[in-house]
Amino acid sequence: AQRVTQPEKLLSVFKGAPVELKCNYSYSGSPELFWYVQYSRQRLQLLLRHISRESIKGFTADLNKGETSFHLKKPFAQEEDSAMYYCALTLTGGGNKLTFGTGTQLKVEL
Amino acid sequence: GAGVSQSPRYKVAKRGQDVALRCDPISGHVSLFWYQQALGQGPEFLTYFQNEAQLDKSGLPSDRFFAERPEGSVSTLKIQRTQQEDSAVYLCASSLDNWRSNQPQHFGDGTRLSIL
Repeated sequence: AQRVTQPEKLLSVFKGAPVELKCNYSYSGSPELFWYVQYSRQRLQLLLRHISRESIKGFTADLNKGETSFHLKKPFAQEEDSAMYYCALTLTGGGNKLTFGTGTQLKVEL
Repeated sequence: GAGVSQSPRYKVAKRGQDVALRCDPISGHVSLFWYQQALGQGPEFLTYFQNEAQLDKSGLPSDRFFAERPEGSVSTLKIQRTQQEDSAVYLCASSLDNWRSNQPQHFGDGTRLSIL
């Protein structure tokens, strides 16, 4: 069975500092990895997916199959980045559920 | 509205009562998912529909949970004889067509269910 681990429940950084939200997964096959974000009083929304290899709101994430990680990074944190971040995994090929981690609350302080 | 709509937003029920939660997906979205999110946890999969067909119900925690999507659009999640451990946020998500490739899932605001 697939599993996603986000080791930090809370990450607090100062504005302008680099951010790295950790995500590790366990799955023997070839997964698809996602980051979802939930801002205060808003619904869960997709931030980025590894197959797109894009940068959204300054965030990037690289899939490292050797370390089974998909860490989310941003070089300079902004106050509006404060939110709950969930890493999620699904199997390739379609028709599959998302398996989520427990989430990391990012707090960007001034 | 353009997004996934869920109702009610909040539901309080006494232990033992039956509840029904509604999800109205984005128009044209073929795939629909239900997730359960307990306090302090990430969402956990309950069930998946492709049009009106329920293709995966492996996440339903017990036979007290039942989901349907009879016309391939609106879906209802029903919980019979509710227990306190059913207290959670129930999230619905839809996507264009998840059958052959994983399309982004769009989430609703959820229904927060509290069992007294």
